[in-house]
Amino acid sequence: QQPVQSPQAVILREGEDAVINCSSSKALYSVHWYRQKHGEAPVFLMILLKGGEQKGHEKISASFNEKKQQSSLYLTASQLSYSGTYFCGTLMNYGGSQGNLIFGKGTKLSVKP
Amino acid sequence: NAGVTQTPKFRILKIGQSMTLQCTQDMNHNYMYWYRQDPGMGLKLIYYSVGAGITDKGEVPNGYNVSRSTTEDFPLRLELAAPSQTSVYFCASSYPHETQYFGPGTRLLVL
Repeated sequence: QQPVQSPQAVILREGEDAVINCSSSKALYSVHWYRQKHGEAPVFLMILLKGGEQKGHEKISASFNEKKQQSSLYLTASQLSYSGTYFCGTLMNYGGSQGNLIFGKGTKLSVKP
Repeated sequence: NAGVTQTPKFRILKIGQSMTLQCTQDMNHNYMYWYRQDPGMGLKLIYYSVGAGITDKGEVPNGYNVSRSTTEDFPLRLELAAPSQTSVYFCASSYPHETQYFGPGTRLLVL
């Protein structure tokens, strides 16, 4: 049930782009993306809902392919502040006890000057 | 608006000791959660609550207990601490199926 994230780690130079993928074996209602810096709590980035609605930062983009049960997070023109571990959380059903996020193991992104 | 607050920030326990991790939110969220995060790993759900008086087990509930007597508070109880419970514990809250807001975390070391 745990979504699979790829790559596990990526190193970028400032200004380069990166794509982080999140795949599930189950049908998804929504995908949530969070970023966590070392020693800090996860911080919300974006929610992608079944049907195409998105909620989140203007400077970060993502896609959600419902048929493939996949989501991708696009980080363009990376900045040093983008460094951290990115987690996707998947929500399989809406409502009741099935409505909990299951988080992937994370993708560690390091942006170098 | 303080958001989600957790106490203590750090604690060392001896094997077999008990403690309560406190979590409070001031956003009037119905849903609250407890996660643990082991080094280099993702977040695993311990317990969650969809409202005062309602709690349910998550993925890794063994060794923990929770209660939810008010909308604001969601304490996590460790009854007999074991080294396997060494971890960072995060509390979070949200509206149903919406953005989860995380507290700063409690680092627990069991020796």
